[in-house]
Amino acid sequence: GAGVSQSPRYKVAKRGQDVALRCDPISGHVSLFWYQQALGQGPEFLTYFQNEAQLDKSGLPSDRFFAERPEGSVSTLKIQRTQQEDSAVYLCASSLQVSNQPQHFGDGTRLSIL
Amino acid sequence: GESVGLHLPTLSVQEGDNSIINCAYSNSASDYFIWYKQESGKGPQFIIDIRSNMDKRQGQRVTVLLNKTVKHLSLQIAATQPGDSAVYFCAENMPTGFQKLVFGTGTRLLVSP
Repeated sequence: GAGVSQSPRYKVAKRGQDVALRCDPISGHVSLFWYQQALGQGPEFLTYFQNEAQLDKSGLPSDRFFAERPEGSVSTLKIQRTQQEDSAVYLCASSLQVSNQPQHFGDGTRLSIL
Repeated sequence: GESVGLHLPTLSVQEGDNSIINCAYSNSASDYFIWYKQESGKGPQFIIDIRSNMDKRQGQRVTVLLNKTVKHLSLQIAATQPGDSAVYFCAENMPTGFQKLVFGTGTRLLVSP
């Protein structure tokens, strides 16, 4: 389809392992966002890309979290040395312009750390 | 699928009723607001948006009202249907120069046939 696509849909990892989550935004969308959603909560901002430039990473919980979008399209969120508190749904969203345009979300990756 | 919002405020209505979901936002400088619908196991789905220079905007079966004086948003759904059952979030655009959304707590809407 033409929406935001995320993979994998589910990821189970052991504590201490590294994980990589992928986001394919809507074609042509300049802005890309990553959010973290804990159970029973609204999504919380992690980081923002405008094309390939990461302009805000203020929401990343620690230096174990790293995101990239090297060609201004597909983005990867990497979490190193995972911990149990990293368990959450990770959502990706994209929008056509920089501001005042709706963000369109993928269905997320549910990450469970054992 | 997994449940979105185990302990959220809940609004229960009968099919065909009108529903009103309320939201208080935090920043008086926020300039753009969005309502999202989220079903279990899915990402938030865009419903309707409104800019701060407006106080009302209508879509298909939905209306958003913005009261900047008291920092309040509401979403009205006309003739609510069972398919409207979901968790609804309001989001405000913080004035950072790009669209940094801050989401509210969420309200679960349950529609009985």
